[in-house]
Amino acid sequence: QVQLQESGPGLVKPSETLSLTCTVSGGSITSYYWSWIRQPAGKGLEWIGRISSSGSTNCNPSLKSRLTMSVDTSKNQFSLKLTSVTAADTAVYYCAREISQETIRAFDVWGQGTMATVSS
Amino acid sequence: DIQMTQSPSSLSASVGDRVTITCRASQSISSFLNWYQQKPGKAPNLLIYAASSLQSGVPSRFSGSGSGTDFTLTISSLQPEDFATYYCQQSYSTPRTFGQGTKLEIK
Repeated sequence: QVQLQESGPGLVKPSETLSLTCTVSGGSITSYYWSWIRQPAGKGLEWIGRISSSGSTNCNPSLKSRLTMSVDTSKNQFSLKLTSVTAADTAVYYCAREISQETIRAFDVWGQGTMATVSS
Repeated sequence: DIQMTQSPSSLSASVGDRVTITCRASQSISSFLNWYQQKPGKAPNLLIYAASSLQSGVPSRFSGSGSGTDFTLTISSLQPEDFATYYCQQSYSTPRTFGQGTKLEIK
């Protein structure tokens, strides 16, 4: 059974870079898209972006200028870097697997989430 | 971006009730609509994909319908474990977008 685990520092200073990694276990990172989704406390879900195992990316236009995603297939990991963070970036960050086939496109496996707080 | 609007934003119901949540897309998304359940402190869980297909392991009291711009999630007989927040999500195009959520509470 595939499992995802987010990791990264829980506290980031304003204007600095938030770096998170998601480790995929129990299955291969190939043949799927891998997304980052965030949720501020008490609010809804926001899709940040996704990366394929070959490294192709799609980003939310609202974050595109600050966002970099990468994948390391040898480690079964993918990562996110969000630059110039502000308090508005404080949220629980989830990584998720997206099945993306002709008629089925959905986030079927999620990590447990990691809290990232932007504060000095 | 495709905007997803859910109604109602919150709902009070009793165990055994039949409940329906609606989701409307700002443009046609064919059947690329998914439903998730989220409990406090937990990640969302996929319930329904492609508008009406039940994810493996999800109880059959959950069902989905619709196509184009209008979709519904129905819970045929509420169970205590169903009290949670529900989100719709379109997978027709990027950026992927979610509805604002419907919080289902115990009456």
